[in-house]
Amino acid sequence: SQQGEEDPQALSIQEGENATMNCSYKTSINNLQWYRQNSGRGLVHLILIRSNEREKHSGRLRVTLDTSKKSSSLLITASRAADTASYFCATDSGGSNYKLTFGKGTLLTVNP
Amino acid sequence: EAGVAQSPRYKIIEKRQSVAFWCNPISGHATLYWYQQILGQGPKLLIQFQNNGVVDDSQLPKDRFSAERLKGVDSTLKIQPAKLEDSAVYLCASSSAGTGAFLGGQYFGPGTRLTVT
Repeated sequence: SQQGEEDPQALSIQEGENATMNCSYKTSINNLQWYRQNSGRGLVHLILIRSNEREKHSGRLRVTLDTSKKSSSLLITASRAADTASYFCATDSGGSNYKLTFGKGTLLTVNP
Repeated sequence: EAGVAQSPRYKIIEKRQSVAFWCNPISGHATLYWYQQILGQGPKLLIQFQNNGVVDDSQLPKDRFSAERLKGVDSTLKIQPAKLEDSAVYLCASSSAGTGAFLGGQYFGPGTRLTVT
């Protein structure tokens, strides 16, 4: 079963614009992670935010987490054509297994 | 550092045939995962190993899927017999979970695209 659910399912923007993707989940988490998948580089880990954190930055990425609403957002600023990919949120519900549950993803298309 | 290696990259078989996938994780990673990703969906965990022991195989269809990780390094995933609905990309990932170096992320291989006809 899938824990996270991304919104929107697809997003198309112009280069230079910002892209925002959202993720909602159902059960309590230890941390939430975002991954990117494209045909060239496969599935790549982007950023991790722990349950006691509210915001985290990495380069052009900004992630927020609202545990009261069980939701997270990923903002990509000043998008580039190379950002075209599917973006997945994945939740770690804690425990000793470090097991991730992935959502269905948002397909981002950045037009040159 | 070298990434997660998988082979083959592509495989086409007929239903009821068997197939095997191989994965070599990043050196030193204690934890290895096999995921199934159906087109348009996110990866679904099939089985997770820590060293050579299974820690989670709750979503592995055990009547037809099997996996092993001999000596706690390489792993193979087998499907026998294959069904049409097994057509998917099979991803292997590894992480340092279970060691003091773990920061949370998993590292994925390029995947094997399986088509069952």
